[in-house]
Amino acid sequence: DSGVTQTPKHLITATGQRVTLRCSPRSGDLSVYWYQQSLDQGLQFLIQYYNGEERAKGNILERFSAQQFPDLHSELNLSSLELGDSALYFCASSAHPASTNEKLFFGSGTQLSVL
Amino acid sequence: AQSVTQLGSHVSVSEGALVLLRCNYSSSVPPYLFWYVQYPNQGLQLLLKYTTGATLVKGINGFEAEFKKSETSFHLTKPSAHMSDAAEYFCAVSDKGGNEKLTFGTGTRLTIIP
Repeated sequence: DSGVTQTPKHLITATGQRVTLRCSPRSGDLSVYWYQQSLDQGLQFLIQYYNGEERAKGNILERFSAQQFPDLHSELNLSSLELGDSALYFCASSAHPASTNEKLFFGSGTQLSVL
Repeated sequence: AQSVTQLGSHVSVSEGALVLLRCNYSSSVPPYLFWYVQYPNQGLQLLLKYTTGATLVKGINGFEAEFKKSETSFHLTKPSAHMSDAAEYFCAVSDKGGNEKLTFGTGTRLTIIP
C-alpha cells in the first residue's frame, strides 16, 4: 500500500458528461501529481500541485482541470468527455517535488470508461 | 525536451535466467533516470533511480541499472528472474532532478516462463 488513496476505483460514464476524480496524498506529502495512462498514448504527465498551488503542467487538455485543497487532497475534473478520454488516471504524491532524494508514490488509479 | 525509448514491448525469460530490459534516453541536459514497475491492478512503484554519482544503481528486488552516457542508455538487469518479477516496467526521465514532469517510456511487459 503506497498510502495514496484514489476514489472511485472505476467510473463508467457517457460522452459529454463531467466527472471528478479524487486523490488523497500520503500523510505529510505536499505535492500531488496526476498522470493519464492509455493504450495509445502511454503514461503521460498531466499536472502537478504543491501545497495548493499549480507547479507544473503537462499534456492536460483544456477540458480538464484540477485543484489541490487546503487539506492537500486533490481533484481532477474532466468535462465534455469523449471516447478517447477512457484511460487509467493515476495520482501520485511526494513531500518535496524538487528533491532528488524523494520518492514518488502512486495510487492504484481510477479506471475511467467513457461509453 | 527529454524522451526515453524502451526497446521491446514484450520480453519473456525463463525463471532463473537473466533479465535485461532496455532503455535509451534523449536529453539536452544531464538526465535523471528512473525505472518503475507496475504490477497488475496496481500503481507504479519505484525500482531505482539515477541522479548523479555512481553509474551503477542498485534498486529493490535485486534489480540494478547502469547509466552509460556514451551509449545514452539506462538498461535494467536482474541476474536471476523470479516468477514474481512478471509485471510491466517503465523507464522514465526528468531534467529537473526530483519527481517533476517525468517523461515515461511506453513500457515493457515482462513474462517469466516457469
